[in-house]
Amino acid sequence: EAQVTQNPRYLITVTGKKLTVTCSQNMNHEYMSWYRQDPGLGLRQIYYSMNVEVTDKGDVPEGYKVSRKEKRNFPLILESPSPNQTSLYFCASSLRSGGENTIYFGEGSWLTVV
Amino acid sequence: KQEVTQIPAALSVPEGENLVLNCSFTDSAIYNLQWFRQDPGKGLTSLLLIQSSQREQTSGRLNASLDKSSGRSTLYIAASQPGDSATYLCAVLSGNTGKLIFGQGTTLQVKP
Repeated sequence: EAQVTQNPRYLITVTGKKLTVTCSQNMNHEYMSWYRQDPGLGLRQIYYSMNVEVTDKGDVPEGYKVSRKEKRNFPLILESPSPNQTSLYFCASSLRSGGENTIYFGEGSWLTVV
Repeated sequence: KQEVTQIPAALSVPEGENLVLNCSFTDSAIYNLQWFRQDPGKGLTSLLLIQSSQREQTSGRLNASLDKSSGRSTLYIAASQPGDSATYLCAVLSGNTGKLIFGQGTTLQVKP
């Protein structure tokens, strides 16, 4: 089954404690990205990756890092989480970045930073 | 800067009604437009993808139209059912970074 898998699904952490949200896709997709969803602000892109070792900033990259060492994985790293990073995070992937490609989303990761 | 707006923000209808959800976007230079469904605590499920060269797409009881020149799309749901209750998100793909620009969504409640 084609899927995008995120872990953890739910996490409560404390300010400043580094954490990583993993994302893995099994569709051999080149393009992957991270979004966050906040009430009143909708979904906004954090980072994206066109392919292995190619990453770039989205609209709200501050406080986040990513890496793309393998095609299937695109982890989101919060080096020093702060309460304003409390949000619902989605990983997404598509075959490529072009308009003919359907984008698949993971089930989301609820992150609370206290 | 591309902006996507969805109206209404919330909608409650009795079961069996046909309904229309609206989406508008400010920049007609888009590659495609997608409609997603989001259930509480769940991820986004892609419902329909309309390429910029297409006018509409259909899947079961769902029909989505696209009028690029006027910057509008509609999602038509026929014979609504309680299981259709969810938040529906419209998103456009514009630019060459693969980034989707989302609307705020329409939360639909279908009452039995």
